[in-house]
Amino acid sequence: EVQLVQSGAEVKKPGESLKISCETSGYKFNEWWIAWVRQMPGKGLEWVGTIFPGDSDTRYSPSFQGQVTISADKSITTAYLQWSSLRASDTAMYYCVRPHPDRSGYYIDYWGQGTRVTVSS
Amino acid sequence: DIQLTQSPSSLSASVGDRVTITCRASQGISNYLAWYQQKPGKAPNLLLYAASRLQSGVPSRFSGSGSGTDYTLTITSLQPEDFATYYCQQYYTALSWTFGQGTKVEIK
Repeated sequence: EVQLVQSGAEVKKPGESLKISCETSGYKFNEWWIAWVRQMPGKGLEWVGTIFPGDSDTRYSPSFQGQVTISADKSITTAYLQWSSLRASDTAMYYCVRPHPDRSGYYIDYWGQGTRVTVSS
Repeated sequence: DIQLTQSPSSLSASVGDRVTITCRASQGISNYLAWYQQKPGKAPNLLLYAASRLQSGVPSRFSGSGSGTDYTLTITSLQPEDFATYYCQQYYTALSWTFGQGTKVEIK
């Protein structure tokens, strides 16, 4: 059974750093992309970025390029999303997701339960 | 960037109603379209992919259609558990995704 289990909710102050995690199981971590999706309070879904753990190939949405860093640790089949300096506007729910290939594209077949990040002074 | 416009943004319906949600892309996306259902406080859940292919385990009252730029999600005979927000997603641009703004289906 495929599972994506995310780390718990975080409350941080502006300017602080943060790294949230997504522990996976039930599939070959190195052979599938894994991605992050943001949902701000009361709003829709936004693609943040995607990584292929097998070779660390990483793609970012232009909206998030330079604002976050995505990484993966193959030894523990875990993906990460991190910030070096949080802003109040980073307050949101963040989902890790598994992209499933369909022809030359990828839809999302599995979602983590989400990690709520709150940034407030 | 490919933009997706869902309509309506919300609707009220009764149990047993037929509901239709539309998703229009800013350019042709060749059926690279998925639909997700999200209930309050939960992660989204895949309903359909490739515009019309039902994900395993999803009830057959959900169906999808469309081509080019215009796509539709239909729920025949709305059930109490179907009250939720629905999102379309284009994946024509491989791993660079965009989502519609969502359609909230509420109880009339």
